[in-house]
Amino acid sequence: GNSVTQMEGPVTLSEEAFLTINCTYTATGYPSLFWYVQYPGEGLQLLLKATKADDKGSNKGFEATYRKETTSFHLEKGSVQVSDSAVYFCALSRDSSASKIIFGSGTRLSIRP
Amino acid sequence: SQTIHQWPATLVQPVGSPLSLECTVEGTSNPNLYWYRQAAGRGLQLLFYSVGIGQISSEVPQNLSASRPQDRQFILSSKKLLLSDSGFYLCAWRTPGTAYEQYFGPGTRLTVT
Repeated sequence: GNSVTQMEGPVTLSEEAFLTINCTYTATGYPSLFWYVQYPGEGLQLLLKATKADDKGSNKGFEATYRKETTSFHLEKGSVQVSDSAVYFCALSRDSSASKIIFGSGTRLSIRP
Repeated sequence: SQTIHQWPATLVQPVGSPLSLECTVEGTSNPNLYWYRQAAGRGLQLLFYSVGIGQISSEVPQNLSASRPQDRQFILSSKKLLLSDSGFYLCAWRTPGTAYEQYFGPGTRLTVT
């Protein structure tokens, strides 16, 4: 079946450090891939997405590239800020009438000033 | 633009009491609607989804139920709450026929005492 595996947290970095959060997936065909972010006490916000192989999604300095050959969608940011502290979820969705989303377990990121 | 509302924002209920959480979406027609639960420090669990009025699919058997009395209204209910029903409840929507991302509401924090 379809599944998403992302790196265990929590991840703690200093401000301006480089960020990578690994995400791999298992799915048949060509799923759409997403990164969502959840700030404390809030709902999830779509951070970026990619719908086909080699697509790069980007937003707010974050990037992720859809790698079909390695079934990966790693999240990266060149210089993190304290305001990036949140929980990040990798997710996939397949074409269907309901288009359910399969979420990873989430990675908590904390940035030290 | 589309917006999604959930209420109440927080709720404290005793074990055995009933529950009704409401979600409404504005600015779109015939959305797919979803209810998720997030236990403390955990990932998201899809509870119910709906592709139209009166059409409810259940993902996990439990003492919760969902209804969709109007196109843009989704209600989560229980006749008798359990301690294990505590969590953060999120409603989400998606426009069919588009890319497959979902958009989330602000959530309801439920504590069963």
